[in-house]
Amino acid sequence: ETGVTQTPRHLVMGMTNKKSLKCEQHLGHNAMYWYKQSAKKPLELMFVYSLEERVENNSVPSRFSPECPNSSHLFLHLHTLQPEDSALYLCASSQAQNSPLHFGNGTRLTVT
Amino acid sequence: AQKVTQAQTEISVVEKEDVTLDCVYETRDTTYYLFWYKQPPSGELVFLIRRNSFDEQNEISGRYSWNFQKSTSSFNFTITASQVVDSAVYFCALSEATPSTGANSKLTFGKGITLSVRP
Repeated sequence: ETGVTQTPRHLVMGMTNKKSLKCEQHLGHNAMYWYKQSAKKPLELMFVYSLEERVENNSVPSRFSPECPNSSHLFLHLHTLQPEDSALYLCASSQAQNSPLHFGNGTRLTVT
Repeated sequence: AQKVTQAQTEISVVEKEDVTLDCVYETRDTTYYLFWYKQPPSGELVFLIRRNSFDEQNEISGRYSWNFQKSTSSFNFTITASQVVDSAVYFCALSEATPSTGANSKLTFGKGITLSVRP
């Protein structure tokens, strides 16, 4: 496999559920990112990890919790989400923080 | 604060037509990067080009060309002889890199332009 792989592709969860989104990159990159894409809104950067350390947290609610166990894997743990959290969640990686981003296909999340 | 405006929200053209996607940006920095990304229906954004603020040379890559004009703060993207496979959402983005922060941490995207190319 090559590129950035996200699982699952689709997720429906209730507001009291706990779920996790997974991202894996096979590009040997050192930085990984979570973005949120909502309808009619620009992409929002949520978290940035560089060399497995979180370097950016853009005022994201605590019901979203990222985890980066190594440079190839990134998780987004979800807990007690709200319906307005329904969106496409995109993972990306880059060789360095100034390098172009490589995105996964995203996870389409629906919170009921 | 930085801002990216893509005033066109949806464009529909017939195959083989040329189409220009507009991007206007705002920044107070003299050093910055500009990007274009393509998002096909499959979902993943695909990197197309990066330009730094010191390089105003226009670029051509096959049917794609980019016109960077600092005087008007614009970075427009033209597709020549469009094809159905060009149908996608196109995002322009701006980053104000600082010595202590990577460019991607300061990346601001526009709202995107949905391009539909009809056969």
